[in-house]
Amino acid sequence: GENVEQHPSTLSVQEGDSAVIKCTYSDSASNYFPWYKQELGKRPQLIIDIRSNVGEKKDQRIAVTLNKTAKHFSLHITETQPEDSAVYFCAEGTNAGKSTFGDGTTLTVKP
Amino acid sequence: GAGVSQSPSNKVTEKGKDVELRCDPISGHTALYWYRQSLGQGLEFLIYFQGNSAPDKSGLPSDRFSAERTGGSVSTLTIQRTQQEDSAVYLCASSTHGSSNQPQHFGDGTRLSIL
Repeated sequence: GENVEQHPSTLSVQEGDSAVIKCTYSDSASNYFPWYKQELGKRPQLIIDIRSNVGEKKDQRIAVTLNKTAKHFSLHITETQPEDSAVYFCAEGTNAGKSTFGDGTTLTVKP
Repeated sequence: GAGVSQSPSNKVTEKGKDVELRCDPISGHTALYWYRQSLGQGLEFLIYFQGNSAPDKSGLPSDRFSAERTGGSVSTLTIQRTQQEDSAVYLCASSTHGSSNQPQHFGDGTRLSIL
């Protein structure tokens, strides 16, 4: 079946630095790549997503890049703040069926 | 508008008992997903509904787990003869239609503890 690998599993950065999380996928039919943020004890929430017809999307301090040839996509957070500390999940979707999620990255931003 | 609603928010029960968890999706969302999340772990897919039918039940861990959805809206996840390893947070999500290329909106989950 579909597989999504997410790296790193944990990431610690100083406030103000950038953070990058990378996911690779295996299904050539994947055309939708969302990122979810889950704060401790809270529900996962969509923070940004990208479709296969674009290579990059930005929303203020966060951006996602997609390389369809290499089958990987990345989340970039610039000027990190303590409130960015959370678990981040990538996922992939197709025109049918269920999404496959990565195992998550625990991001810690140190003040 | 109202988001995905799950009940109960917490459930503590004795091993061997049956439990029923409820999910009320966003109005108009035809796709509904159930996930299980153990402490500090990722999202384990359980089952997916498109309308009232379940095209993919591949994630249900055993025949003690079942789910149904009626009227294309509310879904219930039932766990029979609960075991301690069933303890986890059970998350429900809905999306606008059945293809997986739409954002999923999650509920707050049901925290299930089996004594």
